Amino acid sequence: QKEVEQDPGPLSVPEGAIVSLNCTYSNSAFQYFMWYRQYSRKGPELLMYTYSSGNKEDGRFTAQVDKSSKYISLFIRDSQPSDSATYLCAMSSDSSYKLIFGSGTRLLVRP
Amino acid sequence: DAGITQSPRHKVTETGTPVTLRCHQTENHRYMYWYRQDPGHGLRLIHYSYGVKDTDKGEVSDGYSVSRSKTEDFLLTLESATSSQTSVYFCAISLTSGAQETQYFGPGTRLLVL
Repeated sequence: QKEVEQDPGPLSVPEGAIVSLNCTYSNSAFQYFMWYRQYSRKGPELLMYTYSSGNKEDGRFTAQVDKSSKYISLFIRDSQPSDSATYLCAMSSDSSYKLIFGSGTRLLVRP
Repeated sequence: DAGITQSPRHKVTETGTPVTLRCHQTENHRYMYWYRQDPGHGLRLIHYSYGVKDTDKGEVSDGYSVSRSKTEDFLLTLESATSSQTSVYFCAISLTSGAQETQYFGPGTRLLVL
């Protein structure tokens, strides 16, 4: 069993929809949680960073961490075609030095 | 890309040949990483470096070696390339912004081993 599980998708939604992307994990020592966005043939770019439990909001993006359930989520409001990409979750027990990544969820936002 | 460049960006090689990929950064970051990305596996850590001449193995280090003789360069070598090493290779650095420290990635190198 992988330490971090992520549904590969693809997830197809109409423009303007609310998108929910999720990861589950098994290691209770994880306390740093990140979401990366990766466009086709590009490197991953950091989207959201959260330490421990709770919510964090940045514009149309909200990251949520539930450590009791070992479950993290990324919500995208008013989704746009430019949000079409692969979204990778990543987590670590000791800051950024050893990140464990999910396999990524491919999102397609239809105009 | 946080001042990270990778070379070459694309490479085709034959089984059994040695291959070296280069990661170059311009901002004196201490930590550097090499990952490979394959369908269904996400990003997997190959090796990382925490300073000049200081390196350690990651999750999938077999068949790979690294060297860091200067702060700005981190080299990944496939001593004898195999078809299973066909992948996209990403270099990353750790960057601190306030209380937040996380990794930033280069543009990647696509390697095809025939």
